[in-house]
Amino acid sequence: DTGVSQDPRHKITKRGQNVTFRCDPISEHNRLYWYRQTLGQGPEFLTYFQNEAQLEKSRLLSDRFSAERPKGSFSTLEIQRTEQGDSAMYLCASSLMGVISYGYTFGSGTRLTVV
Amino acid sequence: TQLLEQSPQFLSIQEGENLTVYCNSSSVFSSLQWYRQEPGEGPVLLVTVVTGGEVKKLKRLTFQFGDARKDSSLHITAAQPGDTGLYLCAGLTPGTASKLTFGTGTRLQVTL
Repeated sequence: DTGVSQDPRHKITKRGQNVTFRCDPISEHNRLYWYRQTLGQGPEFLTYFQNEAQLEKSRLLSDRFSAERPKGSFSTLEIQRTEQGDSAMYLCASSLMGVISYGYTFGSGTRLTVV
Repeated sequence: TQLLEQSPQFLSIQEGENLTVYCNSSSVFSSLQWYRQEPGEGPVLLVTVVTGGEVKKLKRLTFQFGDARKDSSLHITAAQPGDTGLYLCAGLTPGTASKLTFGTGTRLQVTL
């Protein structure tokens, strides 16, 4: 296992377009998280899954955002009708439930630029 | 929403100097973690502290969890250019499973 993979690494899109990001977590990890990070700031929680169930969504996650984790494996985060304010780094992380001491393992992120 | 304030926001020092980064909240955390993030990459876990008053050392880095589990500090001795990065504290709120709330971040730059 090579860790958490995110694709693409960079995405430039025009305002109003839809974009989809993919995250492949560590295979043994049953929890998967999405965070958003703007330059120089700490990551902000968006949503998380335990296996295939989406257990919590932040109020930051407007109705233009949707996330899925079919079969409890990879996850996708879709943003519809992108806005310039959506420009950020989108980070995915995974963890093993009940073993917080190991922390999250993060992917390298997808940097979204909306022009 | 829990708020974790870090100070300073930015720190530029020369190699060999010592520094301390602070992470403060008005709320209690069941555990607290510190991460370091380099440009273009995701954060990487440095340490987890669980017990109030706990002190952990990782080579030149010393981490402390406050007695009331509301605050933490990271002290670096004899900083090196390789310590450059964004340092993030992250707290686990009791009763919220394993959802971490991240601090505002401290950007450290160590020059020769």
